Amino acid sequence: DAKTTQPNSMESNEEEPVHLPCNHSTISGTDYIHWYRQLPSQGPEYVIHGLTSNVNNRMASLAIAEDRKSSTLILHRATLRDAAVYYCIYWGPGTYKYIFGTGTRLKVLA
Amino acid sequence: GAGVSQSPSNKVTEKGKDVELRCDPISGHTALYWYRQSLGQGLEFLIYFQGNSAPDKSGLPSDRFSAERTGGSVSTLTIQRTQQEDSAVYLCASSFLRDSYEQYFGPGTRLTVT
Repeated sequence: DAKTTQPNSMESNEEEPVHLPCNHSTISGTDYIHWYRQLPSQGPEYVIHGLTSNVNNRMASLAIAEDRKSSTLILHRATLRDAAVYYCIYWGPGTYKYIFGTGTRLKVLA
Repeated sequence: GAGVSQSPSNKVTEKGKDVELRCDPISGHTALYWYRQSLGQGLEFLIYFQGNSAPDKSGLPSDRFSAERTGGSVSTLTIQRTQQEDSAVYLCASSFLRDSYEQYFGPGTRLTVT
């Protein structure tokens, strides 16, 4: 299975940047890295994805290590609404199914 | 526009009964996925549809679980002879194409087997 490793939980103060790390040492050269987040009592929502280069969108930035064995999701200014479980995932090889781990539970302190 | 919808939002059933869970994907999305999430756990892939066919059923946990999709749209996940370990939130997602990088998830159906 396509395994990723993330810290179980992290805390951040409101209005400060948050760096959420993910290790994916078994990723292949053609697998995109995806990030989703799940707010309480909701289904997951897409955040960002990337292959090799760093990526930015309105929600976050994604920094991908040169060897692609790790990546970091960056929330530039955390808000209380960003409190969620963040999942770093990629498709299993030769499949189109996400293999979710337990993710990182982000707590944002006011 | 309308997102992915699922019904019912909550279902309580007795052990041994059959249940049907429904998913209405976003119009035009050809790929549809079912996942389940047990309490405090990440998502577990169950099955994936491309159109009406299911090329990957590898995640179905037992032969009590089945799913179908008709008209390339609505999908039903059926659990026969429910067991307590089937209690979980069942999530449906859809995407425009099977290799779309963004899946849109519904709010889920919380199933409780007593």
